[in-house]
Amino acid sequence: DAGITQSPRHKVTETGTPVTLRCHQTENHRYMYWYRQDPGHGLRLIHYSYGVKDTDKGEVSDGYSVSRSKTEDFLLTLESATSSQTSVYFCAISESHRASEQYFGPGTRLTVT
Amino acid sequence: GQQVMQIPQYQHVQEGEDFTTYCNSSTTLSNIQWYKQRPGGHPVFLIQLVKSGEVKKQKRLTFQFGEAKKNSSLHITATQTTDVGTYFCPSNFGNEKLTFGTGTRLTIIP
Repeated sequence: DAGITQSPRHKVTETGTPVTLRCHQTENHRYMYWYRQDPGHGLRLIHYSYGVKDTDKGEVSDGYSVSRSKTEDFLLTLESATSSQTSVYFCAISESHRASEQYFGPGTRLTVT
Repeated sequence: GQQVMQIPQYQHVQEGEDFTTYCNSSTTLSNIQWYKQRPGGHPVFLIQLVKSGEVKKQKRLTFQFGEAKKNSSLHITATQTTDVGTYFCPSNFGNEKLTFGTGTRLTIIP
């Protein structure tokens, strides 16, 4: 597996609290992605990054923000968590864009109570 | 938005039977990728198809890309319990983002 770690792996938090998930890679890949996975919806893209400080929105970006200050780290922040954000979050990386395969991290299971 | 429709959503097969999942798009695809996700795991890249009519094999798995580059299929011969999981066929529709659907969930009856 590619060198991708996610932290924390599991988190339970209360509605209204801020939450930050971290994705760390050791592959020096340019592209990084955050997805959420929910039953019946498959994988949906939240935000992605195409370089340090370069990010763009995916299909379900409302309520989420991201930051990438270093090549190896991509942070996903829920400013004020809601129960609808209970999900499994996956980070992925790819070497280039378009035709490049993506490598996924192990995921973070987030529960918002 | 653009997406690839995958059928069936669920498939239960007896161990040893064959299995096929299909992906269809209304627009021409520049390429299509296949991923497998085991229960409780993360998606793992299997293969990418780029050329019209392309066929690639990985042991018991056969991947095809249609002549018109609008559809693709994954066929597994003589399924084994290790084949259990969800199979996805995302495409990027010519941009930087892969669009995943809900995939096909395969369960094996021993």
